[in-house]
Amino acid sequence: DAKTTQPPSMDCAEGRAANLPCNHSTISGNEYVYWYRQIHSQGPQYIIHGLKNNETNEMASLIITEDRKSSTLILPHATLRDTAVYYCIVKLPGANSKLTFGKGITLSVRP
Amino acid sequence: DSGVTQTPKHLITATGQRVTLRCSPRSGDLSVYWYQQSLDQGLQFLIQYYNGEERAKGNILERFSAQQFPDLHSELNLSSLELGDSALYFCASSGVGSEAFFGQGTRLTVV
Repeated sequence: DAKTTQPPSMDCAEGRAANLPCNHSTISGNEYVYWYRQIHSQGPQYIIHGLKNNETNEMASLIITEDRKSSTLILPHATLRDTAVYYCIVKLPGANSKLTFGKGITLSVRP
Repeated sequence: DSGVTQTPKHLITATGQRVTLRCSPRSGDLSVYWYQQSLDQGLQFLIQYYNGEERAKGNILERFSAQQFPDLHSELNLSSLELGDSALYFCASSGVGSEAFFGQGTRLTVV
């Protein structure tokens, strides 16, 4: 699985959009970008995933660059409950490929 | 609620003892993954089972073992426990072609 690089931390104001970057320059053509988050020692929570097209769901949007070497997770209106460690993971789809967690990025949402 | 159930939530035991952690996957999910999260190591992949068979193995100690039963629930057995085994242990499950969902974990404290 390709490796990812995330800044260690960032913060944003409550109600503003949080844009979390991720670099994955060695991603291969059939690898997907997944985002998970972990809120204070709870189980990691799936957010979104994508291959090359931008994706949106009720939690977030995922923007993947055309060359697929980087992506951005967007939380459109961050709340205090979005304070968490966010993990960007590149992997093949399906059950044959496991999730390999790095250190992630700690997002702090301030009032 | 992810649909993945882990028991017990908390476990305190003495060094040298043996414990069993249990995971019930989401209905219909054939894959089960086990992860360990200690303070200084982040989320580490231990082992994966798919429909009763071991599919992938990470840095799992020889003192640790796992199995997946015909009803698809899984157990992680930890023996000859050491202080350093104190950690959060997470189970995740996934279906064919779907993302993985995590349980809320078992917090193991070895004293």
